[in-house]
Amino acid sequence: GNSVTQMEGPVTLSEEAFLTINCTYTATGYPSLFWYVQYPGEGLQLLLKATKADDKGSNKGFEATYRKETTSFHLEKGSVQVSDSAVYFCALIKLDFGNEKLTFGTGTRLTIIP
Amino acid sequence: GAVVSQHPSWVICKSGTSVKIECRSLDFQATTMFWYRQFPKQSLMLMATSNEGSKATYEQGVEKDKFLINHASLTLSTLTVTSAHPEDSSFYICSATAYYGYTFGSGTRLTVV
Repeated sequence: GNSVTQMEGPVTLSEEAFLTINCTYTATGYPSLFWYVQYPGEGLQLLLKATKADDKGSNKGFEATYRKETTSFHLEKGSVQVSDSAVYFCALIKLDFGNEKLTFGTGTRLTIIP
Repeated sequence: GAVVSQHPSWVICKSGTSVKIECRSLDFQATTMFWYRQFPKQSLMLMATSNEGSKATYEQGVEKDKFLINHASLTLSTLTVTSAHPEDSSFYICSATAYYGYTFGSGTRLTVV
């Protein structure tokens, strides 16, 4: 079946540090890949996505590139801010004859300290 | 944008009682809603897919008599945890498909004592 393996947290960084959260996946065919973010007390929000190999999703300074050869979709940001503190989930959707389900990673809690 | 409201955000109940969690789409009609459960340090696991006007489709291993799902209107789906036990303590979150993708509620932390 489909699965997502995500870097375990928690991750604590200083403001303006470089961020990488690793994500690899297992799926047949060509899934779509997503990063969701959950700020304290809120629901999950879509951060970025990529639907085919070599696509780069980007939003709010975050980027992730769909790497088919390494089955990876690592999340990066060049300079993090305190407001980026949240839980980040990597996820995939595999369309399978109308059966579409999101498969999530375990989530990575990120804390940015001033 | 599409907003999903989930209520309550947290609840503590006694073992043996039932708890109802509501999931509402505020500004769009959601023919399909999804219910997830998350244990500490684990993924969000899909429990069931809820379709308006029909029976929910449960994932393998999820007890449908334990977790009752009702999707009586295009804007409301409810999850009732019946005869709750401490092992049902978890984080429950709903989502609905909107025109641009999935929209999630803020989740419900259930603690059974």
